[in-house]
Amino acid sequence: EPEVTQTPSHQVTQMGQEVILRCVPISNHLYFYWYRQILGQKVEFLVSFYNNEISEKSEIFDDQFSVERPDGSNFTLKIRSTKLEDSAMYFCASSGPGGTEAFFGQGTRLTVV
Amino acid sequence: GIQVEQSPPDLILQEGANSTLRCNFSDSVNNLQWFHQNPWGQLINLFYIPSGTKQNGRLSATTVATERYSLLYISSSQTTDSGVYFCAVEGNTDKLIFGTGTRLQVFP
Repeated sequence: EPEVTQTPSHQVTQMGQEVILRCVPISNHLYFYWYRQILGQKVEFLVSFYNNEISEKSEIFDDQFSVERPDGSNFTLKIRSTKLEDSAMYFCASSGPGGTEAFFGQGTRLTVV
Repeated sequence: GIQVEQSPPDLILQEGANSTLRCNFSDSVNNLQWFHQNPWGQLINLFYIPSGTKQNGRLSATTVATERYSLLYISSSQTTDSGVYFCAVEGNTDKLIFGTGTRLQVFP
């Protein structure tokens, strides 16, 4: 069964460092997303990506965040200068044409120290 | 934006018991999904159910879109059902809005 895969599963980084979280969406999907979940809280939307551009972003997705689809299979989230409050589980998701089911990767647990 | 509320926030059951989890949303939606977040943090798709009723084994779900709520039924609960159950909805925008979840603990 097709699935969304994320790497790494865990990442520890020092405050101020740049991190890149990687995702391989389901191959025939067209919409790609990043969400995050701070420990013990609900899952929050960060950004959606369609047709090689951002289609929507939340207030959380400020200038320190960026997304890229560098080739036909990968989808990345870059955090330029990490802060302690960026510590969270980051989920990548993908879905087919509008209004269809979204599938989530297993998450990357980011810890900023 | 759309508000999503789930109840109850916490639920403790003995193995074999049945339960009903509720999700209320504040506006019309194009998509509604139920997820189970397991102890490892993974979000497992349970149902894609913008309207109607679906069943999958011991789990079933019903969404009444006109009344803006969805119900998730778990029958004959098992310890492996423990975790957090999230409802998430999509309105006219390209994103899922998650509820705060129901934390379920099933004891043997």
